[in-house]
Amino acid sequence: DAGVIQSPRHEVTEMGQEVTLRCKPISGHDYLFWYRQTMMRGLELLIYFNNNVPIDDSGMPEDRFSAKMPNASFSTLKIQPSEPRDSAVYFCASSFTPSNEQFFGPGTRLTVL
Amino acid sequence: GENVEQHPSTLSVQEGDSAVIKCTYSDSASNYFPWYKQELGKGPQLIIDIRSNVGEKKDQRIAVTLNKTAKHFSLHITETQPEDSAVYFCAALAVNTGFQKLVFGTGTRLLVSP
Repeated sequence: DAGVIQSPRHEVTEMGQEVTLRCKPISGHDYLFWYRQTMMRGLELLIYFNNNVPIDDSGMPEDRFSAKMPNASFSTLKIQPSEPRDSAVYFCASSFTPSNEQFFGPGTRLTVL
Repeated sequence: GENVEQHPSTLSVQEGDSAVIKCTYSDSASNYFPWYKQELGKGPQLIIDIRSNVGEKKDQRIAVTLNKTAKHFSLHITETQPEDSAVYFCAALAVNTGFQKLVFGTGTRLLVSP
């Protein structure tokens, strides 16, 4: 398996634009996690899915953020409209269960100007 | 909810020395404690984990200890090498919220000088 795949690797956009981040988890993993990493807040969980169903979205900052998982091999994190404070590295991770190893993707570095 | 504190934030050692990173957690129901290593430009990668029915676990130069009574767990790296330089994160599995999710510490930047 190629591991968790994320795209794009880098995204630069202007304030107010819509941003869509994509993730392909490892085949067979039932759990998918979206994290955001910043210097100020560290690594924080935004939302996670179990068998394509959102389980806990308490970490989603506000209504501008939304996430979907239409099937077992694809998930998106959307920010609309984007703001400069959304600039961060966004990671997708997948695992068999929350208490097993989470495999992280390479991340998407988002810069909102 | 679960709160994980990690110290120190930076750690500089000479090659061959030992390095120790300490974490505390607040949720007494937590039962899974992984450690992740993050190299520059990459996602975190699991290096070792421990479950609450075990007090210590070792894997070559890396060991983790857990004190459930004190809610402390620590990462020990012996005979450090320059390639150990990275950011290390501890985490605890929060279970008292009804959901199971990892809460990460703030990270320790380890620099191993040749």
